[in-house]
Amino acid sequence: DGGITQSPKYLFRKEGQNVTLSCEQNLNHDAMYWYRQDPGQGLRLIYYSQIVNDFQKGDIAEGYSVSREKKESFPLTVTSAQKNPTAFYLCASSIQPDSYYGYTFGSGTRLTVV
Amino acid sequence: KNEVEQSPQNLTAQEGEFITINCSYSVGISALHWLQQHPGGGIVSLFMLSSGKKKHGRLIATINIQEKHSSLHITASHPRDSAVYICAPTGSARQLTFGSGTQLTVLP
Repeated sequence: DGGITQSPKYLFRKEGQNVTLSCEQNLNHDAMYWYRQDPGQGLRLIYYSQIVNDFQKGDIAEGYSVSREKKESFPLTVTSAQKNPTAFYLCASSIQPDSYYGYTFGSGTRLTVV
Repeated sequence: KNEVEQSPQNLTAQEGEFITINCSYSVGISALHWLQQHPGGGIVSLFMLSSGKKKHGRLIATINIQEKHSSLHITASHPRDSAVYICAPTGSARQLTFGSGTQLTVLP
């Protein structure tokens, strides 16, 4: 079945460490997105990519980095520069960047800094 | 002011009740998504609509583009409908803008 796979589901990180969250899709979608969700708040866009080897900053990109070397994969690195990284992270994809439908979401990764 | 306002923030209902969740937005949009997030965190896209009304099973979504308002209705609610429902209009940047969600709890 096609879908988005995020791993791991739960992740613990020590302060000062970088950590990479995986997002893989087998839907042949062009666009991929990373969102952050904090308790009681809506999802906020971190980065998005409309095509391989290209990505754009979202609303809260500081302290994060991404790469899009393959169409299927859009990993997110939470760097030590991110001041408050504990959150729930969701990856999504859509058929085309300008398509208003066909959004698919992953099951998320809950990151906790200890 | 938030670009997307959902109401109510929390809703508790008895099984079988008719549920309405409202969404008002200030951004100009071409489409609006209703999403469902279960306690484990994963999100499912329920509807994408740009006008009128859509129905899927016991779920109905309506949108009034002129009034910048959308509603999600659940008929004959069931405990398994308990989840967070999120309204997400597609804003001018062609990216989803998310409401903070409505936590629905349906009691047996």
